[in-house]
Amino acid sequence: KAGVTQTPRYLIKTRGQQVTLSCSPISGHRSVSWYQQTPGQGLQFLFEYFSETQRNKGNFPGRFSGRQFSNSRSEMNVSTLELGDSALYLCASSLGSGSRYEQFFGPGTRLTVL
Amino acid sequence: AQSVAQPEDQVNVAEGNPLTVKCTYSVSGNPYLFWYVQYPNRGLQFLLKYITGDNLVKGSYGFEAEFNKSQTSFHLKKPSALVSDSALYFCAVRDATGGYQKVTFGTGTKLQVIP
Repeated sequence: KAGVTQTPRYLIKTRGQQVTLSCSPISGHRSVSWYQQTPGQGLQFLFEYFSETQRNKGNFPGRFSGRQFSNSRSEMNVSTLELGDSALYLCASSLGSGSRYEQFFGPGTRLTVL
Repeated sequence: AQSVAQPEDQVNVAEGNPLTVKCTYSVSGNPYLFWYVQYPNRGLQFLLKYITGDNLVKGSYGFEAEFNKSQTSFHLKKPSALVSDSALYFCAVRDATGGYQKVTFGTGTKLQVIP
């Protein structure tokens, strides 16, 4: 079974631009979560989607948005990029809830904002 | 609000010795607790989880963790450390109450296993 895939793996943008990151979950997984990892702030939750609906959102400005498609693939968009948006963006897919809950992470997209 | 504390930025242990990586948490409801490992330049890998049941949870690569409700702790342990265990370890909590909730991570503990 293929794991969580994220594209692109590396990205370089300049301030003010926008970027879209993509995440394909494990087949059958309906929940996708996004996280930002930086040396200063550590791992922070961005948002979670389940069946095309945003379930939860972390404490990030409105420049960060996401969506999930009917095939569970998810995209994350950051508009008006700032230098501080440079980070590793991780996507995770999960299946089930309660005792069946298990989360699998993709390799991440390394975004550099110049 | 939920939170996770990993009080040690780095833990050094000699190869073959037992290791412990500490984690304490705070949630309003019942906790789901997780440990993840991150090797250099790689994504996160799931190690183990506590959902309910036995307080001692066994996971991947010989790791285990003990859930202690009274001390609100979920320390990661391994009886005999390997050099290959050297990595960054994250503890995480998810409130089990009320359906789908966000996961909150600790700041991470760097484990260095010395040959």
